[in-house]
Formats: sequence, C-alpha cells, structure tokens
Amino acid sequence: EPEVTQTPSHQVTQMGQEVILRCVPISNHLYFYWYRQILGQKVEFLVSFYNNEISEKSEIFDDQFSVERPDGSNFTLKIRSTKLEDSAMYFCASRRVGGYYGYTFGSGTRLTVV
Amino acid sequence: ILNVEQSPQSLHVQEGDSTNFTCSFPSSNFYALHWYRWETAKSPEALFVMTLNGDEKKKGRISATLNTKEGYSYLYIKGSQPEDSATYLCAPQYGGSQGNLIFGKGTKLSVKP
Repeated sequence: EPEVTQTPSHQVTQMGQEVILRCVPISNHLYFYWYRQILGQKVEFLVSFYNNEISEKSEIFDDQFSVERPDGSNFTLKIRSTKLEDSAMYFCASRRVGGYYGYTFGSGTRLTVV
Repeated sequence: ILNVEQSPQSLHVQEGDSTNFTCSFPSSNFYALHWYRWETAKSPEALFVMTLNGDEKKKGRISATLNTKEGYSYLYIKGSQPEDSATYLCAPQYGGSQGNLIFGKGTKLSVKP
C-alpha cells in the first residue's frame, strides 16, 4: 500500500538554527498538508498546499515557516529560526483531489529544539 | 476557534468488551467527519470519512455513526482485541473538499488480554 514518507524521523537542533523537514507524498495525491503535535496537546493544522501554492495556513504558520515542492515529488517544511516552542512531532499528509477521501499521514518527524 | 471534544480521554477494557467513544464538534459549515486510528510510533491511519448524509460506517468490528445536525459522532468497537489498543482521533473537516481537519485530543484505548 502506498505510503507517505518523512525524513528524518528525529531531528535535534539548536535554537535559532534553520531546519528542513522532508516528505514524499503519495504520487497521485495532489493535496498536501503539514500538521504538528506538541507533546500532550492536540494535532494542529499548519498549512495546506495545492497546485503549487499554499491553499490555507493557520496562525501558527508565521513568517518563520515556509513550504516548497522543489522537484515534483518532495514536499518540504522549512523553519527559518527555530524556537524552543517549535519542538513537536511534525506530520506530513497527502490526499486525492475531490470527493470524500481520507488523508494519508506519514509517521512524523520529531523535532527537538535545544 | 473551532473546538473538537472527545471523550473519554482514555479507556481501559478487557479483551472481548465492547466500547464506544464520543466526538462532539461545531456543526456549522461542516463538510465531513474523519476518524483515525493512531498506534504508538506509527502514522495515523484513516478509519472512516463520514459525509453529510450521516450514513453509518462499518469496518469489521468497528463502526461509526454521525449526527450532522447536532454535531456529534460515536465510534463503536465490538469485542475489543489487544490489537485495537491505540489512540482514536476524530477530525471534522470544514470549508468544503479542500478544507483542512480540526483534530480532537483523541481517546486512548487500552485492551487487556
């Protein structure tokens, strides 16, 4: 069964450093998403991406965050200058266009900012 | 801010018990209701996508109902097995087919053999 692949599975970074989280969505999916879960809290929406542009973003997704689909297969989330409060599990998801389809999630990247 | 509530937060049952969880959510501008099963160290796995027609969904021993008018959904597991142990997440989708999901905190189910 097709999977959404995320790398790395765990990243430790120093506060103020830039990080790039990578995702390979399912090939025939056209909607892409980033969500995150801070330990003990709800899974939160960050951003959705369709047709090579951001469809929607949450208040969390400020100027420090950006997304890109650089080569038609990868979908990346960049955090320019990480803060301690960015420590969370980051999930990528993809979905087929139209209708009532479930999201396929990756297994996540645990980001720890020290 | 849209608030999605799930109860109970956690549940411990014996193998063979049947159980159910609740999800309540704001029903205005609601498009669909998603249920996910999330095992530790794995990715959330889609169980059901429930639409505005409110039909019951069933997958083996797991079923779900939806009340679109009052904004709640029940997930039922019949004859729980240890492999059902997971966190069950409810996520209504707002804003049409392109809308994103708003997650509840989940119900953590532990099934003892």
